[in-house]
Amino acid sequence: NAGVTQTPKFQVLKTGQSMTLQCAQDMNHNSMYWYRQDPGMGLRLIYYSASEGTTDKGEVPNGYNVSRLNKREFSLRLESAAPSQTSVYFCASSEVFGELKAFFGQGTRLTVV
Amino acid sequence: AQRVTQPEKLLSVFKGAPVELKCNYSYSGSPELFWYVQYSRQRLQLLLRHISRESIKGFTADLNKGETSFHLKKPFAQEEDSAMYYCALSGTGRRALTFGSGTRLQVQP
Repeated sequence: NAGVTQTPKFQVLKTGQSMTLQCAQDMNHNSMYWYRQDPGMGLRLIYYSASEGTTDKGEVPNGYNVSRLNKREFSLRLESAAPSQTSVYFCASSEVFGELKAFFGQGTRLTVV
Repeated sequence: AQRVTQPEKLLSVFKGAPVELKCNYSYSGSPELFWYVQYSRQRLQLLLRHISRESIKGFTADLNKGETSFHLKKPFAQEEDSAMYYCALSGTGRRALTFGSGTRLQVQP
């Protein structure tokens, strides 16, 4: 009954370091999303994958790349971390793209110093 | 472009008092509106959606197209309602959800 699983839960990076946030879902959903959550700004869409093999930019894609490795997994990569990328990152999935009900992971708290 | 506004960052009420969490949206087509909730140390989860016209945990929300609002209401707040609440919109053409900035509801004993 895992749903959407994100790793790691916490991470501290130095400016300029790179890292990949992992996300996996076990609900056979077609669509997956990455959001960032910042105080006073709600959740903003970074990238999404409407279906396996496709990825598209969301509202705030700069500084990020994504890979839809297979139907289950959707990773988010920071090539050169910046303090502005300090945030809580949420992965979500839905059965079809834009479907009403999205399931969220527990989040990754990333701090860039 | 679609936009969701939640004007209140924090709403503090006493147990048993009525609650109204405000949400206004901007969208040129026919929107689909949702409320998501995040309890302390739990993941974000769907609370309710306007098309279902349902009441979940005593909460209801009515879509008012004239006022472009989708306020969340509960007649008698409970302490366990304390959480972060996000209003979200999905436009036609199958778009990803757009979230508001969230309102923290604090229900005091």
